[in-house]
Amino acid sequence: AQSVAQPEDQVNVAEGNPLTVKCTYSVSGNPYLFWYVQYPNRGLQFLLKYITGDNLVKGSYGFEAEFNKSQTSFHLKKPSALVSDSALYFCAVRDPRSGGYQKVTFGIGTKLQVIP
Amino acid sequence: DTEVTQTPKHLVMGMTNKKSLKCEQHMGHRAMYWYKQKAKKPPELMFVYSYEKLSINESVPSRFSPECPNSSLLNLHLHALQPEDSALYLCASSPMGLAGNNEQFFGPGTRLTVL
Repeated sequence: AQSVAQPEDQVNVAEGNPLTVKCTYSVSGNPYLFWYVQYPNRGLQFLLKYITGDNLVKGSYGFEAEFNKSQTSFHLKKPSALVSDSALYFCAVRDPRSGGYQKVTFGIGTKLQVIP
Repeated sequence: DTEVTQTPKHLVMGMTNKKSLKCEQHMGHRAMYWYKQKAKKPPELMFVYSYEKLSINESVPSRFSPECPNSSLLNLHLHALQPEDSALYLCASSPMGLAGNNEQFFGPGTRLTVL
């Protein structure tokens, strides 16, 4: 079984400061990991993914995430937060053995609030 | 075209009504998904279609009936819904692939209210 945990319901950060949104996962074998963002009353937008290779993954809008196998973590980061980054962020994990389509497990989401 | 479209944006229906949600994509994706999302919760997978065939039904009540008439369209037929079915219904698509490492593209959702 695969699972993902986002330990923080909400993260507050001042504009211009670095931000981190935490995610840990549990899956047998090597995971596929994803971050999605959701703005109010909208669908999810893909930010970035880790499949294999370099542990530091760069994505859209200046976001990046670091895969840490020993800590089973995939934290989302950005060097300088913008007010427009305020949204709901979902981490997701997919067991690579679960077939060709994307049956993913989403975390509960972390609300990011960037304060001007 | 890298967009998933969903209609209608909002839908209000009574418990005896029959209605349908529609989803469309023209990215050539052969996997399509229906999710249900309650406020401040993660999306819950309902159905997965791969190559126009139903691959996953996550024990969804029969009052929800999916249909994939072709590779670009996905419908969700609704009948005799309950107020607790009120939610944001999201459609998504992704390329198929043995590696399964492709991200999903989500539509904006249909906000459903059941009275």
